[in-house]
Amino acid sequence: DSGVTQTPKHLITATGQRVTLRCSPRSGDLSVYWYQQSLDQGLQFLIQYYNGEERAKGNILERFSAQQFPDLHSELNLSSLELGDSALYFCASSSGRQGATGANVLTFGAGSRLTVL
Amino acid sequence: AQSVTQLDSQVPVFEEAPVELRCNYSSSVSVYLFWYVQYPNQGLQLLLKYLSGSTLVKGINGFEAEFNKSQTSFHLRKPSVHISDTAEYFCAVSRGYSTLTFGKGTMLLVSP
Repeated sequence: DSGVTQTPKHLITATGQRVTLRCSPRSGDLSVYWYQQSLDQGLQFLIQYYNGEERAKGNILERFSAQQFPDLHSELNLSSLELGDSALYFCASSSGRQGATGANVLTFGAGSRLTVL
Repeated sequence: AQSVTQLDSQVPVFEEAPVELRCNYSSSVSVYLFWYVQYPNQGLQLLLKYLSGSTLVKGINGFEAEFNKSQTSFHLRKPSVHISDTAEYFCAVSRGYSTLTFGKGTMLLVSP
């Protein structure tokens, strides 16, 4: 158990629908990241939040949005779903604090597998 | 911007043989380097990381990697693999507190 909790583990839905994926970071971590893993695109960074504020944005579609709440859990909202959105969505967390090395070490959750039919 | 190239999409080996998974990165500045492993139907687990100091980094499960700045490489090695090492391995790079950029992954297939 990595300490990063993602729900649901599996989700099957239809095109045009909207889903919400949830992530609880490891205790003490302030940063949350969302990644999408698909066969053709590999691991793509979507978005990062730090202590409730958006810090970095990657290849996130306009149909997707995310937020981080005061208790530091995060939600990724995917709307107007298309077949191509079927993928494994990972959440990761890190302390986000400036350490001795200045490096960012991410801890990943087990992922949420989304299937759009 | 940094990028990562994992030269092999799949590496088949026999049990107890040595293995090397190759990773090259491109960046104009100093970076941090990581290897993650993804077992079937699981999330990514950190194998090892290079942040600074010794260029030979030891990780979990007997893996090690060597940072070579002149070659811009960070190859992963294990002297003797087990069936249980069958998994996908991802090399990743970051700069400071930037997000991780991952390679496409290398599937290690260990057979008896």
